[in-house]
Amino acid sequence: KNEVEQSPQNLTAQEGEFITINCSYSVGISALHWLQQHPGGGIVSLFMLSSGKKKHGRLIATINIQEKHSSLHITASHPRDSAVYICASYRSGSRLTFGEGTQLTVNP
Amino acid sequence: DAGITQSPRHKVTETGTPVTLRCHQTENHRYMYWYRQDPGHGLRLIHYSYGVKDTDKGEVSDGYSVSRSKTEDFLLTLESATSSQTSVYFCAISVGHSYEQYFGPGTRLTVT
Repeated sequence: KNEVEQSPQNLTAQEGEFITINCSYSVGISALHWLQQHPGGGIVSLFMLSSGKKKHGRLIATINIQEKHSSLHITASHPRDSAVYICASYRSGSRLTFGEGTQLTVNP
Repeated sequence: DAGITQSPRHKVTETGTPVTLRCHQTENHRYMYWYRQDPGHGLRLIHYSYGVKDTDKGEVSDGYSVSRSKTEDFLLTLESATSSQTSVYFCAISVGHSYEQYFGPGTRLTVT
């Protein structure tokens, strides 16, 4: 079992839908990192969070440390949100461990 | 934009040849990382550096070496490229070790 598991692996949505991507991790962590990989391959940092919730525009990330689970939500999805979304766990004194990513496609 | 560039962006090389990939940053960040990304795997750490001449191995370091003689440059060398090293290579930096990381544009390497 991977240390970081994402679900679903692939997600197709219609423009305007509310989207949720899930990330579960198997060991205690200090923080969780959400990244976005564009169709052209570039990787962009979205959030780093250790508790609660963070919001940036239409993106919201939440984390439940006790349940070892984080979610990334996209409100009012748009075709330009189509990308691979990656979560990575960080343990103090260790390194980032990455999930395999969720491929999101938003159709107009 | 964290001021990270990678060169070359694309390279095709033959098995057995040496290859060096360069990562350059403009903001004097202490920590730099090299990852590879392959289908079916998440990003995997090859090597990282925590300062000039200070480097350490990641989870997939076999067949790779690194050097950091200046803060701004982190070089990844494949001494004798193999087809299993065909991949997309990403460089990243962070302000603290494994804190929020910022990635370069990637280098697509094909070993024939």
